[in-house]
Amino acid sequence: SQQGEEDPQALSIQEGENATMNCSYKTSINNLQWYRQNSGRGLVHLILIRSNEREKHSGRLRVTLDTSKKSSSLLITASRAADTASYFCATMRGRGGSEKLVFGKGMKLTVNP
Amino acid sequence: EPEVTQTPSHQVTQMGQEVILRCVPISNHLYFYWYRQILGQKVEFLVSFYNNEISEKSEIFDDQFSVERPDGSNFTLKIRSTKLEDSAMYFCASRGDWETQYFGPGTRLLVL
Repeated sequence: SQQGEEDPQALSIQEGENATMNCSYKTSINNLQWYRQNSGRGLVHLILIRSNEREKHSGRLRVTLDTSKKSSSLLITASRAADTASYFCATMRGRGGSEKLVFGKGMKLTVNP
Repeated sequence: EPEVTQTPSHQVTQMGQEVILRCVPISNHLYFYWYRQILGQKVEFLVSFYNNEISEKSEIFDDQFSVERPDGSNFTLKIRSTKLEDSAMYFCASRGDWETQYFGPGTRLLVL
């Protein structure tokens, strides 16, 4: 799989259900970040997990990171119609101003009311 | 809450024309970035900029591209002679001392 590739590519669920998105990557990372993009709009930062962290929570979001498997998952609990968007994982490589985010293809989440 | 802004939101240009995309990063940020997203594809890194110079650039960022911080607030991306394949959404991002990069809403560039 490609660097920062999300799985599944598209997910459709009912409001109130949980949504889980997975991301895999190939190289070593400093951190992994999740972003949301509403259709045709900008990228909104959701959560960052560092390479020495295994799990992180932010509101209804839960992110896990398994560096041995080079994978991460984003769980959105009790989804809402407003969560409908594309979600991207991005790994950070480099340091000190030379870092860059390498994005996955994104996963389109549809939450049906 | 401070945010990154970009102008214009949309730009249509003819192939071969020069375009300048403008960004106002968050005021106390020191690290600046440009990314682009071709329709339906991944967001791709173009360039990072710190201390008034390019710190990293991708293969995409060839001689047709340049960046500048002309004053204390603006950060620009110039494409000297646009090609059809430059059509994309261009995102500016900035960060402060922490790792999080904050993105602007993007400029949708269409080259005809």
